[in-house]
Amino acid sequence: NAGVTQTPKFQVLKTGQSMTLQCAQDMNHEYMSWYRQDPGMGLRLIHYSVGAGITDQGEVPNGYNVSRSTTEDFPLRLLSAAPSQTSVYFCASSSRNRGLDTGELFFGEGSRLTVL
Amino acid sequence: AQSVTQPDIHITVSEGASLELRCNYSYGATPYLFWYVQSPGQGLQLLLKYFSGDTLVQVIKGFESEFKRSQSSFNLRKPSVHWSDAAEYFCAAGGRHGNNRLAFGKGNQVVVIP
Repeated sequence: NAGVTQTPKFQVLKTGQSMTLQCAQDMNHEYMSWYRQDPGMGLRLIHYSVGAGITDQGEVPNGYNVSRSTTEDFPLRLLSAAPSQTSVYFCASSSRNRGLDTGELFFGEGSRLTVL
Repeated sequence: AQSVTQPDIHITVSEGASLELRCNYSYGATPYLFWYVQSPGQGLQLLLKYFSGDTLVQVIKGFESEFKRSQSSFNLRKPSVHWSDAAEYFCAAGGRHGNNRLAFGKGNQVVVIP
């Protein structure tokens, strides 16, 4: 059971470079989201999607783009990396049960990004 | 806006002693409530959840949590900790309707000493 798969696990970028963090889930979940985790800050929502073709901004969306062309994939793009984007990024997915949101998130193992 | 507060960042507890992690939430209505656990280098995993009904939630591994509406709290307890309980614990809250976005607290880093 793969669950939620994130790649790469580690990445070092220079300021101004762009890159894409990949996220794929095989549970046919409708909802997917990206969080960043910083020491002493907990997890903060970057972007989320409620289904293919639908995305919206979370708490800290600036500097990031997302798209959801399929149910399975939800890539996160850094357009021009900045040192403030050094963080651990988590992708998560969740589903509905009998038409109601379950609220239970399934997380990937994280992608550690360092921007120099 | 919804928020979750975990007031104790670092907690050190002796193996075999009891553990209580505090969580308070601020929400417009009674939210879904969760505790997630994160082991070093890993993603978060659901520990327990509260949707409705009985206010005392018991799950495996000996953890329990009690929803107290009057105090807007959802504290996590374990009567006797094991060394394997060392991890970071996050409290989270989400709306009952909408899009499964969760608001997380800042986490509790639990260290277990022999």
